[in-house]
Amino acid sequence: KQEVTQIPAALSVPEGENLVLNCSFTDSAIYNLQWFRQDPGKGLTSLLLIQSSQREQTSGRLNASLDKSSGRSTLYIAASQPGDSATYLCAVRGALIQGAQKLVFGQGTRLTINP
Amino acid sequence: NAGVTQTPKFQVLKTGQSMTLQCAQDMNHEYMSWYRQDPGMGLRLIHYSVGAGITDQGEVPNGYNVSRSTTEDFPLRLLSAAPSQTSVYFCASSYVGGPGDTQYFGPGTRLTVL
Repeated sequence: KQEVTQIPAALSVPEGENLVLNCSFTDSAIYNLQWFRQDPGKGLTSLLLIQSSQREQTSGRLNASLDKSSGRSTLYIAASQPGDSATYLCAVRGALIQGAQKLVFGQGTRLTINP
Repeated sequence: NAGVTQTPKFQVLKTGQSMTLQCAQDMNHEYMSWYRQDPGMGLRLIHYSVGAGITDQGEVPNGYNVSRSTTEDFPLRLLSAAPSQTSVYFCASSYVGGPGDTQYFGPGTRLTVL
């Protein structure tokens, strides 16, 4: 059974710092990995998706990497801003079985950027 | 596009009552699913559908029913609500295709069962 772990559970840093969020998974046979952002009381917003054949994806100040062999992904946030404060969730998708795209989520890292 | 919409946003039920959580998407996605989010448990898959008329169980299906009569709609039914079903419920949709298909989530329904 796939298990996804995110460490740390919470992180507080001053504005302007570069930071890394970690995600680890137990089964390396993944189809893709997705990073989401969740603001308090809101739904999930997709930030980056890395396919199993890819090593990294970039969007603006965000960079996500994937190392399937070690079962790890990182989300790098450059020049952090108070608006980046949110919970960041990592989710992995296993092989496509009869069209099912089941996501297994980590419990998230709650990020606070202090002005 | 409105994306994935969910109604209601908030709901309070008494134990034993029934209700339906609505989910709709306007992106012509074949795949739709329901998750519940609980503190310390993360998001867990309840039911999913790969197309109209086709549904299957996820990780935590007990106490919930689903059906999919159209591509756009995927309602989640609670037949007899229990306090253990107090949670935030999210609906998601995506294309069924390659590894680059992003899943889109609705804003959620916050359910309290007394």
